[in-house]
Amino acid sequence: QKEVEQDPGPLSVPEGAIVSLNCTYSNSAFQYFMWYRQYSRKGPELLMYTYSSGNKEDGRFTAQVDKSSKYISLFIRDSQPSDSATYLCAMSESGNTPLVFGKGTRLSVIA
Amino acid sequence: DGGITQSPKYLFRKEGQNVTLSCEQNLNHDAMYWYRQDPGQGLRLIYYSQIVNDFQKGDIAEGYSVSREKKESFPLTVTSAQKNPTAFYLCASSIEYRGLAFFGQGTRLTVV
Repeated sequence: QKEVEQDPGPLSVPEGAIVSLNCTYSNSAFQYFMWYRQYSRKGPELLMYTYSSGNKEDGRFTAQVDKSSKYISLFIRDSQPSDSATYLCAMSESGNTPLVFGKGTRLSVIA
Repeated sequence: DGGITQSPKYLFRKEGQNVTLSCEQNLNHDAMYWYRQDPGQGLRLIYYSQIVNDFQKGDIAEGYSVSREKKESFPLTVTSAQKNPTAFYLCASSIEYRGLAFFGQGTRLTVV
């Protein structure tokens, strides 16, 4: 079993839809959880950052962490064509250990 | 502007040659990382360094080497021992004890 599992998609939704992206993990020691957005042929950019459990909201984006279920989610409200990208979840045990990434979910938002 | 600069953006290598990818950061971050990205594979860790003159192997270090002589710089050499080097290489740096990593724009290496 891989440490971080993420459905690669592709996921295609109409403009304005609510998008739900998810990752599961097996390592209960993970405490830092991140979502990155990667456009084609570009480096990933940090989208959301959460320490331990709970929710975090930033504009149209909401990140949720459920450590009891080893499950994290990213919700995108009122999705836009500019949201079309690959979304990578990442996590680490401590602030000084390297991130472990999911394989990424490719999202297309159709106008 | 603060950030992470990778160069070159595109690199072509003949089989049997060593090539070095550059990564420079002016964010004053202590830790730096190299990841490799292949289609459908996500990001896989090659090497990382938490302080100058020290570095650790990641999950796929075979065929690669690094150095960390300065805090700002973490070059990656892809040696001829790397059997399948064609990939997108990403350099990152992170704030100590925060777990946040920021990425450069990547170098696409192609073996010709």
